[in-house]
Amino acid sequence: AQSVAQPEDQVNVAEGNPLTVKCTYSVSGNPYLFWYVQYPNRGLQFLLKYITGDNLVKGSYGFEAEFNKSQTSFHLKKPSALVSDSALYFCAVSGGTGGFKTIFGAGTRLFVKA
Amino acid sequence: GAGVSQSPRYKVAKRGQDVALRCDPISGHVSLFWYQQALGQGPEFLTYFQNEAQLDKSGLPSDRFFAERPEGSVSTLKIQRTQQEDSAVYLCASSLVPSRGHGETQYFGPGTRLLVL
Repeated sequence: AQSVAQPEDQVNVAEGNPLTVKCTYSVSGNPYLFWYVQYPNRGLQFLLKYITGDNLVKGSYGFEAEFNKSQTSFHLKKPSALVSDSALYFCAVSGGTGGFKTIFGAGTRLFVKA
Repeated sequence: GAGVSQSPRYKVAKRGQDVALRCDPISGHVSLFWYQQALGQGPEFLTYFQNEAQLDKSGLPSDRFFAERPEGSVSTLKIQRTQQEDSAVYLCASSLVPSRGHGETQYFGPGTRLLVL
């Protein structure tokens, strides 16, 4: 069965510092991995995804994520955080035996302090 | 262009009432998904449509939940005899291509927040 774990409920970082939001996954077969961001009273917005190829994926707003097959991880990173990056971040996985389903993690709230 | 829209944005229902939640996907999008997002949790899959065909409804929590997409565009999620545990945000998402679970990007609406008293 597919699953996604986001081990941190909350991440705090100072503006200008690098940020990392962690995600690990479990899927039988090839994983397809996503990061979405959710702002208050708004739906999820797509940031980036890994399908195949280069393990470092670049996405919207300067975010990137690194696919690590041996560690079954797909951590979200940004070299320099902005206050406006403060939001709820979701990691998600599809593929394997999951059929049409995309499985989301519980989310990590990112606070960027000025 | 227009994104995915959902209505109403907020719905308060008394326990036992029926509710209907509407989703207007991006024009031309073949795939449509419904998710339930409880407070403090990630979205959980409810059901999937490819055009008008409901190909997966394994996530619907009970037979009180029913979804349709009769003309392959607008979709309605209906909840009969609402219970307090149905209180959640219901998200709709659409995707341009048929879903194979192979990395298709989904575009989400703002959600409908349902509160059952």
